Formats: sequence, C-alpha cells, structure tokens
Amino acid sequence: NAGVTQTPKFQVLKTGQSMTLQCAQDMNHNSMYWYRQDPGMGLRLIYYSASEGTTDKGEVPNGYNVSRLNKREFSLRLESAAPSQTSVYFCASSELKNNYGYTFGSGTRLTVV
Amino acid sequence: QKEVEQNSGPLSVPEGAIASLNCTYSDRVSQSFFWYRQYSGKSPELIMSIYSNGDKEDGRFTAQLNKASQYVSLLIRDSQPSDSATYLCAVKRAGNQFYFGTGTSLTVIP
Repeated sequence: NAGVTQTPKFQVLKTGQSMTLQCAQDMNHNSMYWYRQDPGMGLRLIYYSASEGTTDKGEVPNGYNVSRLNKREFSLRLESAAPSQTSVYFCASSELKNNYGYTFGSGTRLTVV
Repeated sequence: QKEVEQNSGPLSVPEGAIASLNCTYSDRVSQSFFWYRQYSGKSPELIMSIYSNGDKEDGRFTAQLNKASQYVSLLIRDSQPSDSATYLCAVKRAGNQFYFGTGTSLTVIP
C-alpha cells in the first residue's frame, strides 16, 4: 500500500519554464490537496479537489493550475515558473468525514533559478 | 489574526521529561483538531486527532482540547531524542479545509 505518491522528488527549473507535479493515491480517498511549505510560512493551500470532478482555489493559487484526472490522480501545473515558486510542494489526500486527517506524499523540492 | 497559531520555539527538553506543545485557533466553528510530526526534510505524519473537549491519550502522547478557550495542546511524556521534530497543529472546519500552524520545533536533549 503506497499511500500518496508524488513525482518528481526534486526539480530545478529556469524562470519561465513549465512543469507538472504528479500525485496519485491508492486509498480511495475523495479529497486531494496541493500545499506549498516555505520557512516561517507553514503549509499553505494552493488548490484542492473535494471530490472527483471538482477543483477549488486555496490560499495561494496564483501561478498554478490543477487537474483532477480521476479519483486517484491530482496534478499541479506551473505554466511559467518564477523564483517565488521555489518551495517544497506536498500533495495530500483525505476523506470528507469530519474526523479524518490528511495523508501526505513525500514532497517535491522545487527550485526556480 | 492567523487561523492557527503556535509558538515556533525552539522548545528544548531533557530526555525523559514531558514536552508541552500549544496551539490556539481563531474560528469557533472548527470541528476537528490534529497534530502532525514533521522530521527535517520529510513530510508531515499524523500522530493524534481530537474532536471532543477533554483529553485523548495514545501511548506517550496526550492531546487536550478546550473549545471554550479555542486551545489545543499536545503532551509528550518520557520524551525521547527520536521525538525531536517540528510539530504542526491543524484545524479542520466544515467544507473539509484544513488550516495549519507554522509549527513548533522540539529538541529532546539526551
């Protein structure tokens, strides 16, 4: 049981390049999330998908797009990377029940130069 | 005002002591509360959840919730060097959204 799998684990981009971060979960969870984590800022929600077929903006959506490809997969795309997007990105999944926590992926460390 | 506030620390305790981590939240309609442990360079890992006022114990960990005071705490008894990590408090509101604190760094000194 892999849980939440993120790829790639590390990536260096040049300013203006694009890339897609992939996330897949095998726990049959309905909800999936993308967070970024920066020193002193904590975890900030970029986008989330409460259920298959829906996506919503979080706290810091600018510069990102998402696709909920199916119930298992939720991708995050950077169309034109900027140095301000240098961060660690975490994908997470959960159930819609009130007492259910997140399961996080292992993270992607992205550097934009 | 931040949704979830934690003292960033660092908090240092000697091995075998009790570590006390605190968290306050701003929204009274918050429903569920979670503590995550994050080792350096790793992803957050869920260690405790609590939904009702009072204490909840799981091994060496005790979560405490006081909804009237909008306060959540985590006690780690018999602290071990392996407990050295950053502890994140998370609050879940209706709509399935979580709000995280910035974390408290804990160091357990052998």
